[in-house]
Amino acid sequence: EPEVTQTPSHQVTQMGQEVILRCVPISNHLYFYWYRQILGQKVEFLVSFYNNEISEKSEIFDDQFSVERPDGSNFTLKIRSTKLEDSAMYFCATPRLGASEAFFGQGTRLTVV
Amino acid sequence: GQQLNQSPQSMFIQEGEDVSMNCTSSSIFNTWLWYKQDPGEGPVLLIALYKAGELTSNGRLTAQFGITRKDSFLNISASIPSDVGIYFCAGHWNAGNMLTFGGGTRLMVKP
Repeated sequence: EPEVTQTPSHQVTQMGQEVILRCVPISNHLYFYWYRQILGQKVEFLVSFYNNEISEKSEIFDDQFSVERPDGSNFTLKIRSTKLEDSAMYFCATPRLGASEAFFGQGTRLTVV
Repeated sequence: GQQLNQSPQSMFIQEGEDVSMNCTSSSIFNTWLWYKQDPGEGPVLLIALYKAGELTSNGRLTAQFGITRKDSFLNISASIPSDVGIYFCAGHWNAGNMLTFGGGTRLMVKP
């Protein structure tokens, strides 16, 4: 059983629109990560989130991106004004309780048109 | 940022053959992880390595954390059609939690 469930599985959005991608853990987790994978390329780190704060972020994670945990359960990634190059699979990941390695969700395929 | 060089980029082998792929880095990594990704799915963790020299098996899969902490290999023995997919190495190279991924090895198995 995956540690996290991601919704939606696929989202198509117009360039310039805001999107919110959601990640729901199956149990209490403190650490969350967002990764991105452009079609045919490697997985790239975006941001890590610990105890309701950003702990690390990459240069990809610019001002257009934000993360939050609005209700203490769901973990969201918001892209304020999507660009064509934001089209990618976005993965939420979290360590299983008691472990350090990251387990990935099924991903959200974002298509910006 | 840190780079992981993964090779080969792709392999097309006969069912039953053994497979070997590896990752190298110019920097020391503290943890090496190997993931498999099927089309349209998220990466699935196969093996985690935490100590230099560590050799770990998971069924037909064997992976090693290089002594220099700058490389790792993954071997798959007696490949079967369901081994098809993209295999990624990944690692932590500092005290932080972000994973750096290799470029992936696409494995194709001919029945």
